[in-house]
Amino acid sequence: DADVTQTPRNRITKTGKRIMLECSQTKGHDRMYWYRQDPGLGLRLIYYSFDVKDINKGEISDGYSVSRQAQAKFSLSLESAIPNQTALYFCATSGRQDQPQHFGDGTRLSIL
Amino acid sequence: GQQVMQIPQYQHVQEGEDFTTYCNSSTTLSNIQWYKQRPGGHPVFLIQLVKSGEVKKQKRLTFQFGEAKKNSSLHITATQTTDVGTYFCAGPNSGGSNYKLTFGKGTLLTVNP
Repeated sequence: DADVTQTPRNRITKTGKRIMLECSQTKGHDRMYWYRQDPGLGLRLIYYSFDVKDINKGEISDGYSVSRQAQAKFSLSLESAIPNQTALYFCATSGRQDQPQHFGDGTRLSIL
Repeated sequence: GQQVMQIPQYQHVQEGEDFTTYCNSSTTLSNIQWYKQRPGGHPVFLIQLVKSGEVKKQKRLTFQFGEAKKNSSLHITATQTTDVGTYFCAGPNSGGSNYKLTFGKGTLLTVNP
């Protein structure tokens, strides 16, 4: 959805570097999510936030941190990137808890 | 923790053949959602099923939710090349203040014209 914008779209970096992936949304949704997608593994939840003051770990949060700067912005950081964090990363938003999630176009991250 | 399993992982069909993907949860679900991801794209919401035994149709796509609300299926009749992509099911955890979705690993559908 154009309402969910991820930057950058592609990034190549080196092991040990700190990386920040950004997500912004104009949908007015309170709930925001970061997922990682690897071939054959589907979408795995890294972190999620239900409002600016509420941040929760997902199933694979080790090696990642997040910041919810505002209702519309949710950033994912890799403090010290390692090659097995090479993946496609998606940000998503939703309104109420049982409403569909809306995904950004993704960030393809390669760590050498 | 909750597990959502999908089969098959891959399916290759000739255009015009039917296709079905199955989704099974280790726990009873309050609802189930289906998403489609085109190659190079992002997941896009297709539908949500809420009621036990519910069946919904979208043109050539038929979605079912099992009576026990632990399994679901997506059936495509007479596939077309535009159906190519990965289909994911997703179910919520127990809900409450910590509601989040668990996605299946997806079924990749390829269609030979």
